[in-house]
Amino acid sequence: AQSVTQLDSQVPVFEEAPVELRCNYSSSVSVYLFWYVQYPNQGLQLLLKYLSGSTLVKGINGFEAEFNKSQTSFHLRKPSVHISDTAEYFCAVSSLGGYQKVTFGTGTKLQVIP
Amino acid sequence: EAGVTQFPSHSVIEKGQTVTLRCDPISGHDNLYWYRRVMGKEIKFLLHFVKESKQDESGMPNNRFLAERTGGTYSTLKVQPAELEDSGVYFCASSQPGRREAFFGQGTRLTVV
Repeated sequence: AQSVTQLDSQVPVFEEAPVELRCNYSSSVSVYLFWYVQYPNQGLQLLLKYLSGSTLVKGINGFEAEFNKSQTSFHLRKPSVHISDTAEYFCAVSSLGGYQKVTFGTGTKLQVIP
Repeated sequence: EAGVTQFPSHSVIEKGQTVTLRCDPISGHDNLYWYRRVMGKEIKFLLHFVKESKQDESGMPNNRFLAERTGGTYSTLKVQPAELEDSGVYFCASSQPGRREAFFGQGTRLTVV
């Protein structure tokens, strides 16, 4: 069984400030890791993914995440946020083998304050 | 290229009624998934089709939910009869064979009153 924990349900941050959205996971097998974003009134969009290789992954819109196997974390970061980054962010995992279903966290709402 | 399309975007029905949600995946995507998000909670897996076959339906809540994917193209998710706890946003996603990146639709917001 797998689980994903996003401890912060809401994160307010001022425009142009850095942000980190935390994600920890639990799994008995190796996993792929994802961050999805949902902008207001839109569907889920893949922000970035870690499948293998370098543990620092760069995604769209200036976001990046670092996979830390020992801490079972996959935190999302951006050095300077914009108003347009206001959205809900979901961390997710999928096991390497077997089916491709994804297990999501409860989401973190990022509110960028002007 | 068109993305994953879901119909309707919103649906409000009374308890006991039937509702059918539709998902049109990206052309060529054999994998199709249904997920649901109940308000304030995580997005949960419902089931997975590979072409027209159900590969995994372990997340289906009960037998009031019926998913089909005739001909391996679009999929429908029927809820009959709907209950209050079925309210939420239903997401559909699709992916290419062997690929881990799934593309999601905008979701259908279902409200049962």
